[in-house]
Amino acid sequence: DGGITQSPKYLFRKEGQNVTLSCEQNLNHDAMYWYRQDPGQGLRLIYYSQIVNDFQKGDIAEGYSVSREKKESFPLTVTSAQKNPTAFYLCASRPGLATDTQYFGPGTRLTVL
Amino acid sequence: KQEVTQIPAALSVPEGENLVLNCSFTDSAIYNLQWFRQDPGKGLTSLLLIQSSQREQTSGRLNASLDKSSGRSTLYIAASQPGDSATYLCAVRGGKLIFGQGTELSVKP
Repeated sequence: DGGITQSPKYLFRKEGQNVTLSCEQNLNHDAMYWYRQDPGQGLRLIYYSQIVNDFQKGDIAEGYSVSREKKESFPLTVTSAQKNPTAFYLCASRPGLATDTQYFGPGTRLTVL
Repeated sequence: KQEVTQIPAALSVPEGENLVLNCSFTDSAIYNLQWFRQDPGKGLTSLLLIQSSQREQTSGRLNASLDKSSGRSTLYIAASQPGDSATYLCAVRGGKLIFGQGTELSVKP
């Protein structure tokens, strides 16, 4: 069963804690992405990776970190430096060409208590 | 800087109506434009992808058009059904995928 999985579906964090959101894909896609979605808004790019062991900052990278040690995995850490982390986080992947469709995971809703 | 705008922000129609969702973008230098559907609390599902060299794409009751020169795309939904209720997002790919804010569609039985 191919696709993109994100876990957990819901995550609660106390202020001052770091949390890591999981994203796994078995589509053999080269590129992976993390987006943040706030109510009534479109998606904003946090980080992306076009190849293993390489990643670039997106438009709102401050307070976040990522790693890409394996092709199928692209975890996102929300650090205590992120001032307003409560949001819906979406992971996506794409085969590799700019003309390809981007596929999305089901999302993780993070709430800071 | 690429900006993507979707109008209207919300739309409510009775079942059976044909409807059009609009998307405009400021920079015509794009690889493609993609329409997505998002159900509440869920991820995005790709509906249609139009390459920059194409004018339109069709899938079932959905038809999307692209006019690069004017920076516009429309998503046409024929014979709308309550199951079409969702948020529809358009996104354009230049170097990155840039999203509009979405149109929240409600189809009433």
